[in-house]
Amino acid sequence: DVKVTQSSRYLVKRTGEKVFLECVQDMDHENMFWYRQDPGLGLRLIYFSYDVKMKEKGDIPEGYSVSREKKERFSLILESASTNQTSMYLCASSLSTPGEFFGPGTRLTVL
Amino acid sequence: DQQVKQNSPSLSVQEGRISILNCDYTNSMFDYFLWYKKYPAEGPTFLISISSIKDKNEDGRFTVFLNKSAKHLSLHIVPSQPGDSAVYFCAASADQGAQKLVFGQGTRLTINP
Repeated sequence: DVKVTQSSRYLVKRTGEKVFLECVQDMDHENMFWYRQDPGLGLRLIYFSYDVKMKEKGDIPEGYSVSREKKERFSLILESASTNQTSMYLCASSLSTPGEFFGPGTRLTVL
Repeated sequence: DQQVKQNSPSLSVQEGRISILNCDYTNSMFDYFLWYKKYPAEGPTFLISISSIKDKNEDGRFTVFLNKSAKHLSLHIVPSQPGDSAVYFCAASADQGAQKLVFGQGTRLTINP
């Protein structure tokens, strides 16, 4: 069964903290994505990666960075968390055709 | 600039009737469209897709229609069931090899018994 897992379902952090969100997929997919979901805005792409050590900016990369050292793992880093980064973060992976498999999401609250 | 728009934030339908969810797009380069369903506290799950070379794709109770001239697609669910209550997102891709999806804002569908 296809599986994308995220390290935490809920996370509470303080303003200014460095935050790591981890995502692992077991499907040997080349492509991995990080989105955030906010009410009324849908899902917005933060960063994506086509291959190990490769990354590309999505639509809203500011304040975020990513790391992909292994094919199955894609990490999202908030260098200095701010309250406007409070959101639901969704990781996804896909093969060569569009159509992504999503993880369960991490609800991050920044106080 | 919202390239994919779902103008109805919510929709309420009686069980057994047809649910019609709508989606409009502005980018004429989009050539592949998908619908996702999302329950609370879960990630979205893929429902159905359509390529721009088709105008209809059917999978069981779910049918997606694409009107390229109007830049409009719709998802029909018939008959609607209580388990269909969820948030539905449409998404679009320009160049299937590019992988990037652009999502709409979502429509919350409630099926009433």
